[in-house]
This record gives sequence, C-alpha cells and structure tokens, in this order.
Amino acid sequence: AQSVAQPEDQVNVAEGNPLTVKCTYSVSGNPYLFWYVQYPNRGLQFLLKYITGDNLVKGSYGFEAEFNKSQTSFHLKKPSARGSDSALYFCALRDMVFNKFYFGSGTKLNVKP
Amino acid sequence: DAGVIQSPRHEVTEMGQEVTLRCKPISGHDYLFWYRQTMMRGLELLIYFNNNVPIDDSGMPEDRFSAKMPNASFSTLKIQPSEPRDSAVYFCASRPRRSNTGELFFGEGSRLTVL
Repeated sequence: AQSVAQPEDQVNVAEGNPLTVKCTYSVSGNPYLFWYVQYPNRGLQFLLKYITGDNLVKGSYGFEAEFNKSQTSFHLKKPSARGSDSALYFCALRDMVFNKFYFGSGTKLNVKP
Repeated sequence: DAGVIQSPRHEVTEMGQEVTLRCKPISGHDYLFWYRQTMMRGLELLIYFNNNVPIDDSGMPEDRFSAKMPNASFSTLKIQPSEPRDSAVYFCASRPRRSNTGELFFGEGSRLTVL
C-alpha cells in the first residue's frame, strides 16, 4: 500500500539555524515524491520533487530534500531558516498506477527570531 | 498564467442549503482534482477528472456530494443538502498530461462554513 508519514506535527527552529522536516514513505515500485508548502489561508505551493537521479534535490526558496532509498525517507532541509519559512509543509507521494497523490498529515514549521 | 481559480473564497451557509464551489483549472491542464482539508483528516482526495471525465470518485463522502466538469475550463463541486460536518477548505488542483511525473497546481481554496 502506498502511504506517506510525517512523524512530527510541529518543528521549532531558531532563525539562522538549519531545519529538517521529516517524511517517510511506503510504495511498491519507484517512488515519485514531492514537497509542498502552505501559508495561512493559501493553497499548497510546489517546492520540489524527486523522480529519479541525484538523491539531493534542490527546490524553491533555498529548500532541498534528500532521498534515501534504504531508509525510505525524503526529508526536507534548509541550511539557514528564515522567519518567512514559517508555514505548513506537506510531503506527497504520487501513485503512478492510479494517478493519485497521497499527502502526509503536514508539519507546522515555526521559525523563531 | 492566472493559475487555478476558485470561487467563492469564503462561503457561510446554513444547514440544509445547497452549496456550489467552482474551479477554473490552468489552461491546457488535462487533469483536475478536488480535495478537502480539515484539521482532523488532513487533505483528502474527493474526485478527479481526466479530459473532463470523472475517473475516480471513491473519495466523495456520500450522495450529498456531486462534481461535474462540463468543459475543459470549468468544474463544480456541489453539496446538497449541506451539513455542519462539511465545514472545511475545499481545494481544486490541476495538472498537465504532458508532464507525466509532474506536480499538482493548487487553487487558493474555498473555505466553507455550514452553521
């Protein structure tokens, strides 16, 4: 069965510090993984995706994600957090057979000054 | 491009009333998805269309919910009659067919409150 898990409801980080938002997945076949960000009262915005190739994927706003097949993880990272990064982050897995996206439960990132 | 456009952004109605949410996908996108977001259940896929044809409606909660896509540039999600438990943010998203591994593009959502 295809699924995505975000084990942390909330992550707190100080401005300027590195941040990590965790995501693990379960899939039969090759994973197609995505990260989205949602600001208050807004829709989800695409950040980055992993389809194949380099395990380190770079995306918008300085974010990157590391794909780890052995750990079935796709953690979102940023070297230096900014206040404007405070938002809700969703990891998603695309089921290529049924053309569905499975979203994690979301992680609220709080960047404190 | 204007992106995915949803209306209304906010809707407050009373239990039993009919609610219609509207979506205009990005031009040229062949797939259209309706999602519902609540605190308790997160993001749930309700239904999706390919070339205006409903492909999977297994996420539609019950017969009170219906969705249509009469043409490539317009879709509606209707709730009749509405109930307080339908209160949520409803998102429409679209995706182009040519990008087989591509991401979804979301609208800003319609926040529904049923009193």
